[in-house]
Amino acid sequence: DAGVIQSPRHEVTEMGQEVTLRCKPISGHDYLFWYRQTMMRGLELLIYFNNNVPIDDSGMPEDRFSAKMPNASFSTLKIQPSEPRDSAVYFCASSPHTGADDTIYFGEGSWLTVV
Amino acid sequence: RKEVEQDPGPFNVPEGATVAFNCTYSNSASQSFFWYRQDCRKEPKLLMSVYSSGNEDGRFTAQLNRASQYISLLIRDSKLSDSATYLCVFTMKTSYDKVIFGPGTSLSVIP
Repeated sequence: DAGVIQSPRHEVTEMGQEVTLRCKPISGHDYLFWYRQTMMRGLELLIYFNNNVPIDDSGMPEDRFSAKMPNASFSTLKIQPSEPRDSAVYFCASSPHTGADDTIYFGEGSWLTVV
Repeated sequence: RKEVEQDPGPFNVPEGATVAFNCTYSNSASQSFFWYRQDCRKEPKLLMSVYSSGNEDGRFTAQLNRASQYISLLIRDSKLSDSATYLCVFTMKTSYDKVIFGPGTSLSVIP
């Protein structure tokens, strides 16, 4: 079975450039999460969607970050303009979040380096 | 008080040892609890859920103490392959569920 699919897996970009990270959740999962992980701050929830609707974006660092989920099978996280402090691993995750299964399934992550 | 706290470690233990981690949470409205495992440079993966009555999966035992607001993970007969970071996770029952990850505890099992 296909898991959560993220792209790109690795990206190196220059400060000021736009970065777009993509995610395809597991089919049938109603919840989609974007996390960022760094050594200093650990795993941080940026935003999550339920049935394509953004529910909580309080973790989004600032206006440079935006996320969309135009349909049930696709989401993007965009950083514009990017800064060196945005360097991190960005995980997309999905969950059916039913009473029977609350597991969060993570993608392999997008490793972002902003120079 | 932080929403969730874990001893970051690292815990360095010899093969065959028993090791235990605790994770405390501050919000009594927390609904469901889990332990996730994250290997170096990999994504977190579910290790086991934590049930009120406690549960066991092979060498792993998880317990929940709602009164004191903590969960624990016990690993018996540690293997080299157990070396990883262990994250406690809980969900909040609000209008929609929100998932909170702890900062993780690093475990190194030494030959």
